[in-house]
Amino acid sequence: KQEVTQIPAALSVPEGENLVLNCSFTDSAIYNLQWFRQDPGKGLTSLLLIQSSQREQTSGRLNASLDKSSGRSTLYIAASQPGDSATYLCAVKGSGGSNYKLTFGKGTLLTVNP
Amino acid sequence: SQTIHQWPATLVQPVGSPLSLECTVEGTSNPNLYWYRQAAGRGLQLLFYSVGIGQISSEVPQNLSASRPQDRQFILSSKKLLLSDSGFYLCAWSTTDRFNEKLFFGSGTQLSVL
Repeated sequence: KQEVTQIPAALSVPEGENLVLNCSFTDSAIYNLQWFRQDPGKGLTSLLLIQSSQREQTSGRLNASLDKSSGRSTLYIAASQPGDSATYLCAVKGSGGSNYKLTFGKGTLLTVNP
Repeated sequence: SQTIHQWPATLVQPVGSPLSLECTVEGTSNPNLYWYRQAAGRGLQLLFYSVGIGQISSEVPQNLSASRPQDRQFILSSKKLLLSDSGFYLCAWSTTDRFNEKLFFGSGTQLSVL
């Protein structure tokens, strides 16, 4: 059974700092990995999707990397801003029989202080 | 562009009452549709998914049910709510394109069963 872990559970940084959020998964047989952002009381917004054959994806100040063999992904946020404050979740999609299921981590609550 | 609508945003229901949450998607056809529940400290739990009209797969045994009466409509129901049904319910959709299958979420329904 796939398990996804996100460390740390919460992170507080001053504005302008570069930061890294971590995601690990137990079963390396994945199809893709997604990073999401969730604001309080809201739905999730997809930030980046990395296919299993890819090593990284970039969007603006965000860069996500994937090391499938070691079961790890990182989300790098450059020059953080207070507007980046949110919960960030990663999710993996298995390449086995349950092709429609994503397994989510519990998220990292990020606070960027002005 | 595609949009997903989910309502109501908040709902307070007594134990034993029925439930109906509705989700509709616009701007796409034949989407995969999902119902998730997010409980505090427990992450996102997939409840149901559907790959077509009338095709529903249940992931977790419970007193909830789902229906897909139209291609872009997904309904979550219960005949009698339990206290444990409280949580944040999220509808989501994805394309069936295996190379561009990001998951898009609605804004969620906060359900409190009292």
